[in-house]
Amino acid sequence: QQQVKQSPQSLIVQKGGISIINCAYENTAFDYFPWYQQFPGKGPALLIAIRPDVSEKKEGRFTISFNKSAKQFSLHIMDSQPGDSATYFCAARGVNYGGSQGNLIFGKGTKLSVKP
Amino acid sequence: GAGVSQSPSNKVTEKGKDVELRCDPISGHTALYWYRQRLGQGLEFLIYFQGNSAPDKSGLPSDRFSAERTGESVSTLTIQRTQQEDSAVYLCASSLVVNQPQHFGDGTRLSIL
Repeated sequence: QQQVKQSPQSLIVQKGGISIINCAYENTAFDYFPWYQQFPGKGPALLIAIRPDVSEKKEGRFTISFNKSAKQFSLHIMDSQPGDSATYFCAARGVNYGGSQGNLIFGKGTKLSVKP
Repeated sequence: GAGVSQSPSNKVTEKGKDVELRCDPISGHTALYWYRQRLGQGLEFLIYFQGNSAPDKSGLPSDRFSAERTGESVSTLTIQRTQQEDSAVYLCASSLVVNQPQHFGDGTRLSIL
């Protein structure tokens, strides 16, 4: 079973600090790595995504860093705010000879709390 | 509507009963996915539909689970003879086509007594 391993399970950061969440994958046949943000009682919302031909992608306060050789990618949230408090999931989409597979494989999530 | 709509938002039923969960994807989205999220866990893929192609059922955990989709619109996920381990949030997502970003609904919280 292809797996995506996410850490830490929970994270507490002071307002204005940097939140860093890490993911590692075990299979090279992935072509897309999104991050989702989920608030209680809501579905996951796409935050930012990267493809393996790029080492970094930045959108506002959110940055994905991707290390293809190490099979690792991480989410950095700069200037963290209390409103960023949520659960964050990394994911990966597989490929096969027919092209991209449909389903995403998710990490187990990181519960982020940003203290005021 | 603007987003993926799921109903009911909550469902409580007795062990052994059948349940049917509904998903209305974003209009124009040809791909539709079902995931299961157990308490405190990540999302677990169940099944996805892409246009008129045969669905990918590789994630369905047992033959008690099935799903249908009418054309490129509504989908229903059916769980027969529910068990307590089926308690979870069932999430539906849709995308324009299979290799485009997936947009999720808020899920159906299923509780089996």
